[in-house]
Formats: sequence, C-alpha cells, structure tokens
Amino acid sequence: VQLVQSGAEVKKPGESLKISCKASGYSFSNSWIGWVRQMPGKGLEWMGIIYPGDSETRYSPSFQGQVTISADKSINTAYLQWSSLKASDTTIYYCALDSGGYLHFWGQGTLVTVSS
Amino acid sequence: EIVLTQSPATLSLSPGERATLSCRASQSVGRYLAWYQQKPGQAPRVLIYDASKRDTGIPARFSGSGSGTDFTLTISSLEPEDFAVYYCQQRSSWPLFTFGQGTRLEIK
Repeated sequence: VQLVQSGAEVKKPGESLKISCKASGYSFSNSWIGWVRQMPGKGLEWMGIIYPGDSETRYSPSFQGQVTISADKSINTAYLQWSSLKASDTTIYYCALDSGGYLHFWGQGTLVTVSS
Repeated sequence: EIVLTQSPATLSLSPGERATLSCRASQSVGRYLAWYQQKPGQAPRVLIYDASKRDTGIPARFSGSGSGTDFTLTISSLEPEDFAVYYCQQRSSWPLFTFGQGTRLEIK
C-alpha cells in the first residue's frame, strides 16, 4: 500500500486549492480513505472520509462546510479542497487509509501555507 | 463526540526504563482503540489496534491494554528510537474518529 500526496502549496487568502492523494497497492474503490489535519506543534484532527466506490462522504462536524473531500476512482486519487482559503488553514494535511476503522497507512503529508 | 484525554502530556524517562501512557475516553469505546507513534517530520504509524493487538512489525516491547474508558500503552524497556509523540484514537463512533491530544515521550 502506498499513498503519495501532492507537493507543498503556497496560496493567498481567498484563493481556492485542491490537494491530492494517489493510492496504490490495494482496491481503491472498495476502501474508505480519509484526511487528517495537524496544526503546527499540535495534535491530529480527523476531517472526514470518502468511499471512492460510490463517493459516499462523511465529515467531522468541525470541518463540515469548510472543505470538500472527493475521489476519482479511475485514477485512484482522493482530494481535499477549499473554495476560499484562510490563514488559519496553514498547516500539514495527511491522507490515510481506513483499514477496519484504524489508519494503518498514511500519505507523507502536504504542507499548505496561506499568506498574503 | 467522544473525547480522549491522554496523560501525562509529557513523560521524561531514560533508555531502558518502562513507559506507561494513559488514554481515557469520555464514554465507553469497547476495545476499539489504537495507539500511534509520530516522530518529527513523519506521518503517524499504528503501533496497537483493538486495544491490545500489535500491528505488523511492531516490536514486542510495545503492549496495549484496557477496555471501556481506560487504556494503557506500555513500552517495557525504552530504546532511543522510542522517544516520540504518542496518540490514541477511537473508532467506536466511526466514521467520526477522534484522537487524544498526545503524550510527548522525551529523554530524561
């Protein structure tokens, strides 16, 4: 199993952004994959999860309406996107494979920096 | 939302000592709890899941115990590479996972 995330991004407040997580080594369509935020020097926050087979998506209440999680099963890739970034979105984001309710495999992380 | 509270926030020990980390849930999570280790600049990795099952390749010095609301991660004899941050995570309220705030295990 391998999860490879897109590279670091530098954006201005108000801009949109979509980061990606390309999966390999397992059945992408038939497994839930999720996103985790880690603020600088802080702990882990669960953002939400998607089942690429039918695009069913569930969000943590803290992130509902703040981000959009999507997936393209034709290219085994999950996405996390923002329509209007804020400075407070600056941090590292991880994708992770949900295996039986635990996160056994993780991407390497994508650093998003939002600054004017 | 199920809140996980880890203690202590920081644990200072020497190599060779025994480490005991605690995770308490605000309501019962059964045995649906995992422990992760995170080193600087790296993604977390699973050590223990379902409270006491070691993940593939995890050394036997790591063990987990507990059920309901109280859980413990024990490292029997600390190796230099074990100094890191440890998180617990519950899957009882899937898909709404929650993590504890972490315990930093530092070299004394």
